[in-house]
This record gives sequence, C-alpha cells and structure tokens, in this order.
Amino acid sequence: EDQVTQSPEALRLQEGESSSLNCSYTVSGLRGLFWYRQDPGKGPEFLFTLYSAGEEKEKERLKATLTKKESFLHITAPKPEDSATYLCAVQVSRSTGKLIFGQGTTLQVKP
Amino acid sequence: SAVISQKPSRDICQRGTSLTIQCQVDSQVTMMFWYRQQPGQSLTLIATANQGSEATYESGFVIDKFPISRPNLTFSTLTVSNMSPEDSSIYLCSVGKQGAYEQYFGPGTRLTVT
Repeated sequence: EDQVTQSPEALRLQEGESSSLNCSYTVSGLRGLFWYRQDPGKGPEFLFTLYSAGEEKEKERLKATLTKKESFLHITAPKPEDSATYLCAVQVSRSTGKLIFGQGTTLQVKP
Repeated sequence: SAVISQKPSRDICQRGTSLTIQCQVDSQVTMMFWYRQQPGQSLTLIATANQGSEATYESGFVIDKFPISRPNLTFSTLTVSNMSPEDSSIYLCSVGKQGAYEQYFGPGTRLTVT
C-alpha cells in the first residue's frame, strides 16, 4: 500500500534557527513529490514539485530535496511568518493525478 | 497557477440535510478533484470530477453520499448528502492542467454538522 509519513508532527524553532522536515514514502512508483504550505483556515499553497532522486528546488528560505526513499524540506533562518503546517504528497499515477498526503508537520517559529 | 473559489466558505447544517459546495476556476483545467480534511487530519481524496461523465470515487466514498457534477472545464459541485456529525470537515477542491502535474487548491469549505 502506498504510504507517506512526515516527521516530526510538530516543530518549534526560534527565529533564525535552521532545521529540516522529513517526508518518507513507500510507493509502487513515484511520479512526483509535492510540498505544500497550509495556513490555518486556508487551502494548501503549492511550494515545490520534485520528480527524481537528487533533484533540489529552492524558494526564499525553503529548499526541498529528494532521494529514492524520502524528501527533506530545509528551512534556513526561519522567520515567524514561516509558521504553518507543511504537507508532503506523492503522486503515483500521472493519468489519475491522485495525490497521497502525509499527516503534515506543524511548524511554529518564535521571534 | 489558477484562481480557485469555493462557495460557501463555511456552513453549519443539521444532520439529515444535504449541502452542495461549488468550485469555480478562472481558466479551463483538465483535472478537478475533491478532498476532505477532517479535524486535525491530512487530506484524503474523495473523487476525481470528470467533465461530461461520472466521477471516479476512491475507496470508502460512494456516489449516493457524495454526488459530484462537472458540467464544464471550469466548474464542479460536490454534494454532501444525508449529513451526520462525522461529515464535519473541510472540503477542498483542487485543479490540475494538462501537461503540468501540480495541483492547486481552493480555499476550502468548512462544514459543521450538528
């Protein structure tokens, strides 16, 4: 069964304290791995798509990496506005487009 | 990306009633999906809304409970029928364009069933 696991469930950081979020997956065949940010009361906001092991993408203080078994979302020198829930999802079939989501990591950055 | 709107943004309904949620996109899209996010949980796909044909439902979701329509490439509706308190969730639509694999989400509809 295709499965996505995110860790930790919750993470508290001081402003400027860099860290990483983990997304491990067990799937029959990875077509794409997606990272989203979700603020309370809002829909998920698209951040990155990664397609193959070794791929990296960056956006401001965020950098996503992918291996054959997991993905990391690195947050460098976070600010309070980076506080949100970060969701990881995998796509195993491009024809159906179905996304399988992890449980998310709730990040709180304190000033 | 695409601009996606959902109506209503939230509602409080009594058990046994039905609610129809609308999803409107500002451009034509190939794929439209409906997800459910139960309190404190992640997102679970309910069904894929197919334009001009019946929706494709995921295991555990049935058409009688969650009828879906998609009359064109920019609009879809999800009905939550014969509601119970267990249906209290956020319902989200997402869209994807042909040739691109990203999915973009609407703001969600927060449903509370009393």
